[in-house]
Amino acid sequence: QVQLQESGPGLVKPSETLSLTCTVSGYSISSDYCWGWIRQPPGKGLEWIVSICHSGNTFYNPSRKSRVTISVDTSKNQFSLRLSSLTAADTAMYYCARLSGVSGSRWFESWGQGTLVTVSS
Amino acid sequence: EIVLTQSPGTLSLSPGERATLSCRASQSVSNSYLAWYQQKPGQAPRLLIYGASSRATGIPDRFGGSGSGTDFTLTISRLEPEDFVVYYCQQYGSSPYSFGQGTKLEIK
Repeated sequence: QVQLQESGPGLVKPSETLSLTCTVSGYSISSDYCWGWIRQPPGKGLEWIVSICHSGNTFYNPSRKSRVTISVDTSKNQFSLRLSSLTAADTAMYYCARLSGVSGSRWFESWGQGTLVTVSS
Repeated sequence: EIVLTQSPGTLSLSPGERATLSCRASQSVSNSYLAWYQQKPGQAPRLLIYGASSRATGIPDRFGGSGSGTDFTLTISRLEPEDFVVYYCQQYGSSPYSFGQGTKLEIK
């Protein structure tokens, strides 16, 4: 059974860049599926940020694309998110997930437990 | 971008009753590419339904999904105490993937 675990700093300063890593166990991320990031501000709803597939195809939420980078490290079975130019509005729980489906149409099948990121000076 | 509107915002029912949650899309969701998630306090969302009506692995059969086009429904046939949490719909038929704002199911 696949398991996902997010890691990263809990507190970052405005204007800085956030780096988060998702470590996957129980499945090789290079084999199949897509992998992505979703966030949830405190007390609010969910927002998809970005996904990357085993093929290398990458899908971005256009509203975040200019600030987002996603990458994969198959040797460590990890994928990572970088989000630049942070503001307080980026304060949220960040989840990594495995996506199932076909081509660019996928649902979030398995989720990590999430990591809370606070943007504050 | 497809906007999903869930209703009601809060639904008050009693254990054993039937719950009907609605998710309406601002435009047609292609191929009924709609999913439902359950989120318990302090936990990550859990996939319940994909493809509008297919239950995810391990999901009890009291959870059912239906609908097409712009109108979708999650039905919980007999509410258990652990079902009184928040539910989200998500469309994945077009980019960007989008979520509804959630329906909170509370004990009456």
